[in-house]
Amino acid sequence: EVQLAQSGAEVKKPGESLKISCKGSGYIFTGYWIGWVRQMPGKGLEWMGTIYPGDSETRYSPSFQGQGTISADKSISTAYLQWNSLKSSDTAVYYCARRSAYCFGGACHYDYWGQGTLVTVSS
Amino acid sequence: QSVLTQPPSVSGAPGQRVTISCTGSSSNTGAGYDVHWYQQLPGRGPKLLIYGNTNRPSGVPDRFSGSKSGTSASLAITGLQTEDEADYYCQSYDSGLSGSVFGGGTKLTVL
Repeated sequence: EVQLAQSGAEVKKPGESLKISCKGSGYIFTGYWIGWVRQMPGKGLEWMGTIYPGDSETRYSPSFQGQGTISADKSISTAYLQWNSLKSSDTAVYYCARRSAYCFGGACHYDYWGQGTLVTVSS
Repeated sequence: QSVLTQPPSVSGAPGQRVTISCTGSSSNTGAGYDVHWYQQLPGRGPKLLIYGNTNRPSGVPDRFSGSKSGTSASLAITGLQTEDEADYYCQSYDSGLSGSVFGGGTKLTVL
């Protein structure tokens, strides 16, 4: 069974650093892109970027370039999203999701999702 | 403002049919990129509902169906049930942004 298990909720102060994780299981982790999606309180889904764990190729949404770094450690089937200096505007739930192996009509969909990690940034 | 436009809310009575629209532009849906749909139940993560405009993953009831024409796509839900009350999001690819884009989401209320 495909599963994406995300790390637990975090409460941080502005300026602090943070790294959240997403561990894949039940499939060949290196063979599928992993995406990260932000959902701010009471708002919609926003695509942040994606990584291919096989070779760590990474692509970012222009809206999120410089706002968080996506990485992966294929040896432990885990993808990461990290910040060096958090802002209060980073408060959100962050989802990781597995991109399907086949992209229909050039648009890739996400077939499995993690449970989400709530990040709260407050002084 | 989202790249893909959805109505903020729709509603219907149990048993009725509702549709949710998703309108894009020439750099995404109008360029021929497919549309996918996700359901997000209250307090839960998103779940894939429709992929490639019209395809349902296994386990998704056939009450849910998708279509696409030109720059717009639609999600139809027939035989509304109370458990369908959720937020629904469309998603596609945008060539100008070189990445995935989501609609702003539509809240479905089952009256």
